[in-house]
Amino acid sequence: GDSVTQMEGPVTLSEEAFLTINCTYTATGYPSLFWYVQYPGEGLQLLLKATKADDKGSNKGFEATYRKETTSFHLEKGSVQVSDSAVYFCAFLKGANDMRFGAGTRLTVKP
Amino acid sequence: NAGVMQNPRHLVRRRGQEARLRCSPVKGHSHVYWYRQLPEEGLKFMVYLQKENIIDESGMPKERFSAEFPKEGPSILRIQQVVRGDSAAYFCASSPNQAGLSGANVLTFGAGSRLTVL
Repeated sequence: GDSVTQMEGPVTLSEEAFLTINCTYTATGYPSLFWYVQYPGEGLQLLLKATKADDKGSNKGFEATYRKETTSFHLEKGSVQVSDSAVYFCAFLKGANDMRFGAGTRLTVKP
Repeated sequence: NAGVMQNPRHLVRRRGQEARLRCSPVKGHSHVYWYRQLPEEGLKFMVYLQKENIIDESGMPKERFSAEFPKEGPSILRIQQVVRGDSAAYFCASSPNQAGLSGANVLTFGAGSRLTVL
């Protein structure tokens, strides 16, 4: 069935390291793709999105490119900061109402 | 300008009791979504409501679970006769219009309610 698979965590990096969190999806057609971030004690916030193939979403130094050939939407950041420590969720919109989320990847950035 | 407010943040119930989780959407948002996050799993869609109407409840368990979004007041997710397997974090999200149709997808999430069933 339709689903999202993302890299298992936790991921621990040193400040200024390069980040990649892998995400692949299984769905019919070409759904809109999203990355959400959840900081400790808060709700999920939209980080970035892409609505069609080859689109690149970007925000706060994070980027992800919609790759229809590999059905992937990997999240990257060139230089992480301690303040990026959070849980990151990959998601796609199935139909009009059903946002399908991955299991989340916990990132810890150490100074 | 408050975001989505969920309460209680933490709720402990014994097996067989009832759990009520409340969600006040962003002011002006008329669409509410409930998600459940089981330990070590992603968020799973449960139900989508507009004021006084359930639009899509395809993710709701058929028994013991119900949701409402009255004309006045918060949306309520109700779980009757809770069992240990209901222990999870329940997230509410709201949007000013239907998420898919908007194209912009402006779901705003609450901080969640964590239910523990003893």
